[in-house]
Amino acid sequence: AQKVTQAQTEISVVEKEDVTLDCVYETRDTTYYLFWYKQPPSGELVFLIRRNSFDEQNEISGRYSWNFQKSTSSFNFTITASQVVDSAVYFCALSEVNSGGYQKVTFGTGTKLQVIP
Amino acid sequence: DTGVSQDPRHKITKRGQNVTFRCDPISEHNRLYWYRQTLGQGPEFLTYFQNEAQLEKSRLLSDRFSAERPKGSFSTLEIQRTEQGDSAMYLCASSPSPGQGSSNNSPLHFGNGTRLTVT
Repeated sequence: AQKVTQAQTEISVVEKEDVTLDCVYETRDTTYYLFWYKQPPSGELVFLIRRNSFDEQNEISGRYSWNFQKSTSSFNFTITASQVVDSAVYFCALSEVNSGGYQKVTFGTGTKLQVIP
Repeated sequence: DTGVSQDPRHKITKRGQNVTFRCDPISEHNRLYWYRQTLGQGPEFLTYFQNEAQLEKSRLLSDRFSAERPKGSFSTLEIQRTEQGDSAMYLCASSPSPGQGSSNNSPLHFGNGTRLTVT
């Protein structure tokens, strides 16, 4: 069974600090995808990034960067120079293709990030 | 197309009443998902449609819950005889299938959700 663990329930940082959100996953599959979603107070889940299990290259997009390490089953997310608008709940998710041929997505419990001005 | 839309945004109902929610996915997506999210938790899978076929239902989906997608476009989720434990945010998501030119692990596109409060 697949499982996603986000051990950090809440994090508070002062604006302009860097912050890393941790994600650890469990899966028996060799082919899978990992995602990060952002859920601002408005409630809509916003897709941020997707990574497949064969691509361990780290990625940077503006102030966001992702560190995928298959050896430790981790997919951590770093926000550099945090801003108040980054305040939201961030979810890590794992997607596998099941026996029926469609993707099954499992979410972590989320990390609530509060950026204090 | 403006994305996945859900209606209503909020619903307050008394215990024992039936409620129905609607989801309109992104028009070119043939996969549709329902998730439930309670406070402090991540979304939990409820059910999945490929076109009009309901291909999987979670054990979370008791017999009081029923979902339909009659023409492979919009979907409805009905909860009969609501209980206080049904209070949650109900999220709908859609994605394209591989036959639509994407991989089998496309990101899910979520709507704003319907927040249900059962009193």
